[in-house]
Amino acid sequence: DTGVSQDPRHKITKRGQNVTFRCDPISEHNRLYWYRQTLGQGPEFLTYFQNEAQLEKSRLLSDRFSAERPKGSFSTLEIQRTEQGDSAMYLCASSLFDEGNYGYTFGSGTRLTVV
Amino acid sequence: GQQLNQSPQSMFIQEGEDVSMNCTSSSIFNTWLWYKQDPGEGPVLLIALYKAGELTSNGRLTAQFGITRKDSFLNISASIPSDVGIYFCAGQTSHDYDMRFGAGTRLTVKP
Repeated sequence: DTGVSQDPRHKITKRGQNVTFRCDPISEHNRLYWYRQTLGQGPEFLTYFQNEAQLEKSRLLSDRFSAERPKGSFSTLEIQRTEQGDSAMYLCASSLFDEGNYGYTFGSGTRLTVV
Repeated sequence: GQQLNQSPQSMFIQEGEDVSMNCTSSSIFNTWLWYKQDPGEGPVLLIALYKAGELTSNGRLTAQFGITRKDSFLNISASIPSDVGIYFCAGQTSHDYDMRFGAGTRLTVKP
């Protein structure tokens, strides 16, 4: 397993367009997380899945954002009607939820630029 | 929500020097973690701390979980050029799905 993969690495889109990002977690990991990171800041939690169930969403996840993990494996994050404020690095992470194990493995991220 | 204050924001040091950075919070965390992020990449976990007062090392890195559970520090000894990057502290409450990150310390090491 080569770790957490994210695709694409970079995306430039015009304001108002829809974009979709994909994350492939480490295969044995049952939890998958989405974070957003803006320039000069640390990552901020967006949402997470345990297997295929989306268990928590932050207030940052507006109605224009939707995430899925249909078979408990890969996940997609879609942003509809993109705005310039959506420009950020979108990070995916996965972990094996187990007592005493809190280590996330992050992917390299998808950098979104909305013009 | 909980805010993590990380300092310093940036450091410029000579190769071979020791480095110290810290993180404080107004709230209690059950777990403290330290990550390093290189440009264009995701954060990589360096050290995880699970108990108040815990002191843990990983090679040249040493981190401690403050006894108040509201702070943590990271030390890097004998810095080398590949230590360059942004170091983030992160805290977790009992809701272990939600990690709160500091704004990062940008480290520059001059050869």
